[in-house]
Parts: sequence; C-alpha cells; structure tokens
Amino acid sequence: AQSVAQPEDQVNVAEGNPLTVKCTYSVSGNPYLFWYVQYPNRGLQFLLKYITGDNLVKGSYGFEAEFNKSQTSFHLKKPSALVSDSALYFCAVREASGTYKYIFGTGTRLKVLA
Amino acid sequence: NAGVTQTPKFQVLKTGQSMTLQCAQDMNHNSMYWYRQDPGMGLRLIYYSASEGTTDKGEVPNGYNVSRLNKREFSLRLESAAPSQTSVYFCASYPLGGPGELFFGEGSRLTVL
Repeated sequence: AQSVAQPEDQVNVAEGNPLTVKCTYSVSGNPYLFWYVQYPNRGLQFLLKYITGDNLVKGSYGFEAEFNKSQTSFHLKKPSALVSDSALYFCAVREASGTYKYIFGTGTRLKVLA
Repeated sequence: NAGVTQTPKFQVLKTGQSMTLQCAQDMNHNSMYWYRQDPGMGLRLIYYSASEGTTDKGEVPNGYNVSRLNKREFSLRLESAAPSQTSVYFCASYPLGGPGELFFGEGSRLTVL
C-alpha cells in the first residue's frame, strides 16, 4: 500500500535562510511525487511534481525538491525563505502502475520568522 | 473558469442527520476525489472515481457514500452523521492522461453536533 511520512509537524526558519521540509514515501513500484501548499481557509495549491528524469525538480515560488530513490525521499527546499512562505505543506504520492489513488502525508507547518 | 466548486462551504448537522456534499468541475477532468482534512491527520482519501461510472474506496470510506452523477459531478453523502465526521472536506479532480497533479476545491467545513 502507498504511504507518505512527513516527520516534522512544524519547521521554523528565519527569513532569508534556506528551508527544508522532509517527506519519505512507500510504494510498490515507481512513484509520482507531489508537493502542495495550503494557506489558511483555502484549498491546496500545487507546487511541483516528480514524474521521471532529473532528480531535482523546480516549481512555483522558487521551491524545488530532490527525489532520492535509494532513501525513498522527496524533500522540499528553498534557498531563501520568505515570511510569505509560512503555510501548511503536504507531500503526496501516487503509484505509477496505473492506479489513480493519491495519498497525502500529515502535513508540515512552515513558520518563517522575520 | 471556476475549476472545482464545492457546496455548501459550511454546514452544521446534528448527530444522525444526513446530508450531501456536492462537487462539480468544469475542466472536463476524468477522475474525481473526496478527501477529509483533520488536524494532525493530514488529508485522507475517502472515495475516488477514476472515470465516469466507477467509484473506489479510499483510506477512510466508512460512513460515507458517493455518486458520480456524470463526468462533471461527484457527490459525497453522509447517511447518518456522527461527531467523528466533523472535518473539512475537499473535492479534487484530475484530467485524463499523464501523471499530473490534482486540482482542489476550496473545501467544505462540516460540524456534527
């Protein structure tokens, strides 16, 4: 069965510092991996995805993520955090084998301190 | 272009009452999903419909029923609401072809007293 783990409930980082939000996954085959962001009282907004190819994928708002197959990880990163990046971040996985089931992690709250 | 529209946005029910959450998408997407979001639990998949005419259980289907009314609409029904179903419910959709991302509605906040 697919699963996603986001080990940190909250990540605090100072504005201007690099940030990392961690995600590990478990699937039986190849994964499709996604990051979403949620602002208060809003739906989820897509940030970026890994399907195949280059392990470093770039997305919206300066975010990027690194796919590591051996560690089954897909960590979200940004070189320089902004206060406006403060939000709830979700990692999601879908098996590439044909199922249309998307499984999400429990979310990580990012707080960027001015 | 509205995307994914959910109604109602807010609802308060008493235990044992029934209600239906409606979801419609105008993007000609094939697959549709219902998730619930609870603090500390993240998003959990309730049911999904890979294409018109099919529905499948997700992680937490108990207490819910769904109907894929047509390609545009996917409803979620609570037959006898329980306080444990107090949550924020999100509908999402996905187009045919390609390993793309889900598109989400703005959510429906349900309180069961």
